[in-house]
Amino acid sequence: KNEVEQSPQNLTAQEGEFITINCSYSVGISALHWLQQHPGGGIVSLFMLSSGKKKHGRLIATINIQEKHSSLHITASHPRDSAVYICAVRGHGDKLIFGTGTRLQVFP
Amino acid sequence: ETGVTQTPRHLVMGMTNKKSLKCEQHLGHNAMYWYKQSAKKPLELMFVYNFKEQTENNSVPSRFSPECPNSSHLFLHLHTLQPEDSALYLCATTRDRSTEAFFGQGTRLTVV
Repeated sequence: KNEVEQSPQNLTAQEGEFITINCSYSVGISALHWLQQHPGGGIVSLFMLSSGKKKHGRLIATINIQEKHSSLHITASHPRDSAVYICAVRGHGDKLIFGTGTRLQVFP
Repeated sequence: ETGVTQTPRHLVMGMTNKKSLKCEQHLGHNAMYWYKQSAKKPLELMFVYNFKEQTENNSVPSRFSPECPNSSHLFLHLHTLQPEDSALYLCATTRDRSTEAFFGQGTRLTVV
């Protein structure tokens, strides 16, 4: 069992839908990252958070430290949001531990 | 554009070849990382350099040899690779070990 589990593994949505991607982890962490990977391969950091909630445009990330759970929400989804979304936690020794990612496809 | 540039973007090499992957950053970051991403698997940390010194080797086979000649450049030298080494190799940098990571576009490596 991975130390970082994401759900769902694959997600399809119609343009405009509200999307939620979940991340659960089993280790103590100092921070949690949400990353976006487009088909070309490059990865972009979306959020780094250690408590509460952060918002950037149509993206919202929340974390519940007690429940060891984080969610990434996308409001008013758009085809350009299609990508793989990766959750990563910074554990002991400052190592990043990655989930396997959630593949999102948004159709017009 | 993340400020981290990897070359080449794609590489096909035979099992007896020697090649190198290059990563360049202009962010002034102190830590640089090599990750391997295989299909349907999480990113795997390979090496960490902090202030040009290798601080972590995550049990990587010796056919992968990293080099960090200065704070802006990181190389991954490859020799006698196996087909199972085919993957996306990603470079990342952080200002220090506990801050946000910036990734390059990756090198898609195919070993034939």
